[in-house]
Amino acid sequence: NAGVTQTPKFRVLKTGQSMTLLCAQDMNHEYMYWYRQDPGMGLRLIHYSVGEGTTAKGEVPDGYNVSRLKKQNFLLGLESAAPSQTSVYFCASTAGQAYNSPLHFGNGTRLTVT
Amino acid sequence: SQKIEQNSEALNIQEGKTATLTCNYTNYSPAYLQWYRQDPGRGPVFLLLIRENEKEKRKERLKVTFDTTLKQSLFHITASQPADSATYLCALNTNAGKSTFGDGTTLTVKP
Repeated sequence: NAGVTQTPKFRVLKTGQSMTLLCAQDMNHEYMYWYRQDPGMGLRLIHYSVGEGTTAKGEVPDGYNVSRLKKQNFLLGLESAAPSQTSVYFCASTAGQAYNSPLHFGNGTRLTVT
Repeated sequence: SQKIEQNSEALNIQEGKTATLTCNYTNYSPAYLQWYRQDPGRGPVFLLLIRENEKEKRKERLKVTFDTTLKQSLFHITASQPADSATYLCALNTNAGKSTFGDGTTLTVKP
């Protein structure tokens, strides 16, 4: 099984450009999450989804949008990229709620905004 | 405000020794605590979960303790090996359903 797959692995954007990060999981998990990881700040939750067609805001949602049209996919969009969004983005999924189920992470997308 | 602190950013030990990593928290009442391992360029990988009513959990060379009075979890790796070198993250989980992560401790095990 592939587990959680993120595309692309690397991306460079100019300020103001838009892009979509794709996360796909093949474990039939209900819950999916988008985190960003910055040096010295750990993993911070951007948005999450508790099932197909649902999304909710996390700790740092501003500047991002998400969609969960299919159970296996969770998309993260940046409508107008800013240098502050330079980060490594991780997608994760769990079978149940994160508090009692381990998170399965992808290997990240490294985004640089110039 | 809520805060999670993992001991020193870096920990260096000799092969064969026991590595002890600390996760302290304030203004939380976590129901669960998880530990993850992260290698450079990779996503975190789940290691262990411990519940608030459990004092200790073991898995092979790994041991986790959870003291809700001290608001602290200790993560031990016994008989450490160079392959154990990685960054270790603790994550607190309340019954609200979301995980909050510490910044991580980078462990280096020297041969």
